[in-house]
Amino acid sequence: DQQVKQNSPSLSVQEGRISILNCDYTNSMFDYFLWYKKYPAEGPTFLISISSIKDKNEDGRFTVFLNKSAKHLSLHIVPSQPGDSAVYFCAASARGSQGNLIFGKGTKLSVKP
Amino acid sequence: DGGITQSPKYLFRKEGQNVTLSCEQNLNHDAMYWYRQDPGQGLRLIYYSQIVNDFQKGDIAEGYSVSREKKESFPLTVTSAQKNPTAFYLCASSIDTRGGTRGLNEQFFGPGTRLTVL
Repeated sequence: DQQVKQNSPSLSVQEGRISILNCDYTNSMFDYFLWYKKYPAEGPTFLISISSIKDKNEDGRFTVFLNKSAKHLSLHIVPSQPGDSAVYFCAASARGSQGNLIFGKGTKLSVKP
Repeated sequence: DGGITQSPKYLFRKEGQNVTLSCEQNLNHDAMYWYRQDPGQGLRLIYYSQIVNDFQKGDIAEGYSVSREKKESFPLTVTSAQKNPTAFYLCASSIDTRGGTRGLNEQFFGPGTRLTVL
């Protein structure tokens, strides 16, 4: 059973508009969440994270929102740029898990010029 | 430059052969991890190691083996017992999270090795 779900396999957005990538989780023990960006045939690169004590974290064009009651988080990219086109993975970590991450299946974002 | 290196980038092996994938890091991280990625799938944890000479099975350890003789190195052996070894393999490391301090540290990934079984 998937503990971290990214229900949209793909998303297409126009350059300059907002991209919203969604992630749902089922394990209430998760207390740390991360977003990674991945290009084909490369390793994922860390984008942004959020602890469960917060509901928002911002870093430049990237903002992550966490709704603990809904077990939902989202990544907003504003404005979207063609270089943002990649696969985005949501990951979560639980207390006592020694830092191990559970990944979603990813969402492929395409930003069109 | 600090980082994680994986070699080779592409690897081909014949069915029935064991093969070892290299992972080296110079970030002074205690924890290291191996994942595999299949098309349309997320990253699944194979093995992880929190400290030298210690490692734990992840979710899909069957058919794989690892060693952690040095802090910098965490090689993964794909054995002939692994029924579907063709995949993209990723190594990662993070600051140690032992001792009850779970730490909010992200994992840093290497560039990956694409293994194809012929």
